[in-house]
Amino acid sequence: SAVISQKPSRDICQRGTSLTIQCQVDSQVTMMFWYRQQPGQSLTLIATANQGSEATYESGFVIDKFPISRPNLTFSTLTVSNMSPEDSSIYLCSVGETSSYEQYFGPGTRLTVT
Amino acid sequence: GESVGLHLPTLSVQEGDNSIINCAYSNSASDYFIWYKQESGKGPQFIIDIRSNMDKRQGQRVTVLLNKTVKHLSLQIAATQPGDSAVYFCAENLGDSWGKLQFGAGTQVVVTP
Repeated sequence: SAVISQKPSRDICQRGTSLTIQCQVDSQVTMMFWYRQQPGQSLTLIATANQGSEATYESGFVIDKFPISRPNLTFSTLTVSNMSPEDSSIYLCSVGETSSYEQYFGPGTRLTVT
Repeated sequence: GESVGLHLPTLSVQEGDNSIINCAYSNSASDYFIWYKQESGKGPQFIIDIRSNMDKRQGQRVTVLLNKTVKHLSLQIAATQPGDSAVYFCAENLGDSWGKLQFGAGTQVVVTP
């Protein structure tokens, strides 16, 4: 499976600011996804990061709040904009190939908004 | 949709016993299912998967069973070890688009000596 890294691993941010989270994969992958995991809860898909086109967002998530970039097949960023304490979560990227269905996760970015 | 509530169901298992973790999935059109293990402070780790055209799949010390009639998925861990202590999530691929996983609420497994 691919080796996935995320930066930063954790951060504490002030209300109203924005944070960009990076996801780097050690090999080219077709599919990249961003998930949110609120404290003590399960994972929720935010969006699919499409290479060369705009991300596809799930219900309840919008581009203005969570802009995503996917400049190539090994890298993606998620920005959490105009943060509020409710955005405190773990943000995870995952990768996969359509040929195998398997999906692998990065270590996550633990965000606390004060 | 998102899981609700901060208290995960907990399964306490004695070391060496077998564990069974259950999951009810929501969408009869789901075509692919994955079990993940998440240790504290880490991202989910892929354990085993199963496609909807199968009802059983075995891995190393783990077996996944799929009952499409009642939309039920289970993960069996043989000879549970302390290192198996974690939160376990089932996830279903909703079938309308590749990779859109919907996760279950999770089960906390605690292995006691």
